[in-house]
Amino acid sequence: AQTVTQSQPEMSVQEAETVTLSCTYDTSESNYYLFWYKQPPSRQMILVIRQEAYKQQNATENRFSVNFQKAAKSFSLKISDSQLGDTAMYFCAFTYYEKLTFGTGTRLTIIP
Amino acid sequence: KAGVTQTPRYLIKTRGQQVTLSCSPISGHRSVSWYQQTPGQGLQFLFEYFSETQRNKGNFPGRFSGRQFSNSRSEMNVSTLELGDSALYLCASSLVLAEGSGANVLTFGAGSRLTVL
Repeated sequence: AQTVTQSQPEMSVQEAETVTLSCTYDTSESNYYLFWYKQPPSRQMILVIRQEAYKQQNATENRFSVNFQKAAKSFSLKISDSQLGDTAMYFCAFTYYEKLTFGTGTRLTIIP
Repeated sequence: KAGVTQTPRYLIKTRGQQVTLSCSPISGHRSVSWYQQTPGQGLQFLFEYFSETQRNKGNFPGRFSGRQFSNSRSEMNVSTLELGDSALYLCASSLVLAEGSGANVLTFGAGSRLTVL
């Protein structure tokens, strides 16, 4: 069974600073996908970024980038130039077939 | 285009009752998944439907069931409600790019918040 671990329950950072959220996972599969989702107070789950395991290049989406270390089974999210709108719960997720396994989440607060 | 629509957004039931939640996926999306979110257990996969067939199922009791209609709309039902069923139920739809590959990106609805008294 796949497991996803997020070891930082809460984090806070000043606006405009850079923050990194950690995620590790465990799987015996070799080809899979990893995601970061954010869930703001509205509770709407929003996709932040996606990484294919067979791609060595780290995914980036504007201010969001990942550090994917397949051998270490690590998948961290870096948010640059953080903004107040980035305040949310962030979930790391793993998918092999049509089923997402989520981590427990990191509550990120951006301080003005 | 319209997103994933879940109804109702909020509902209150009492123990022993049953509830039906509805999910309308994004037009063209044929896969619909359901997740339960609680403070204690986090986000847990319930089941996934594709073309009216349940393809995957999570570790939930038989009181939790679902179905998908020919227009891809989906419903989930919980019978004999228990206090522990209080949760946010999230529906997600996806455009199946490559079946079984996990490549599909899920778009979530705003959820149905169920409170069981």
